[in-house]
Amino acid sequence: GENVEQHPSTLSVQEGDSAVIKCTYSDSASNYFPWYKQELGKRPQLIIDIRSNVGEKKDQRIAVTLNKTAKHFSLHITETQPEDSAVYFCAASPLGSQGNLIFGKGTKLSVKP
Amino acid sequence: NAGVMQNPRHLVRRRGQEARLRCSPMKGHSHVYWYRQLPEEGLKFMVYLQKENIIDESGMPKERFSAEFPKEGPSILRIQQVVRGDSAAYFCASSPTGRPYEQYFGPGTRLTVT
Repeated sequence: GENVEQHPSTLSVQEGDSAVIKCTYSDSASNYFPWYKQELGKRPQLIIDIRSNVGEKKDQRIAVTLNKTAKHFSLHITETQPEDSAVYFCAASPLGSQGNLIFGKGTKLSVKP
Repeated sequence: NAGVMQNPRHLVRRRGQEARLRCSPMKGHSHVYWYRQLPEEGLKFMVYLQKENIIDESGMPKERFSAEFPKEGPSILRIQQVVRGDSAAYFCASSPTGRPYEQYFGPGTRLTVT
């Protein structure tokens, strides 16, 4: 079955710097890749997603890139702010899964003012 | 439009008791998913339901766990004879009809087994 690896597990950056989180997946048939942000004690929130027919997607300070050949995708946050501090999860949805998502183990991002 | 609702938010059970977790999807959403999150871990898929149907329960433990999504009322995740290892946060997500991947999560139920 699908397996999603996420790196790094922790990431600390200075306010204003960029942050990059990377994920790899094993099932080449996976076709949907969302990213979730989870603040301490709160629900995961969908922040951006990308489908396998697209290589890059951007929404203000957040962008996601997908390399289907290498089976990896990345989250890029520019001009980080303290409120970006949270745990970020990547996920993949294997073809035929009917929607269930396979999550990475998360990256704890700390943005220092 | 209210988001996904879950109750209770916190649940404490003694070993051997039953736990019932409820999830009301967003209005207009017909897909419900249950995930379990252990401390410092990602979310693990458990089950996917539509009204009156279990679509995929490949992530559910074979014993003690069951889920339903009746025609009327919330989806329920039921854990019988709880053990300490069941302590976790249980999240429900829902998605719009025809867009099963676009999942919106509820606030979760934190189950503690003493």
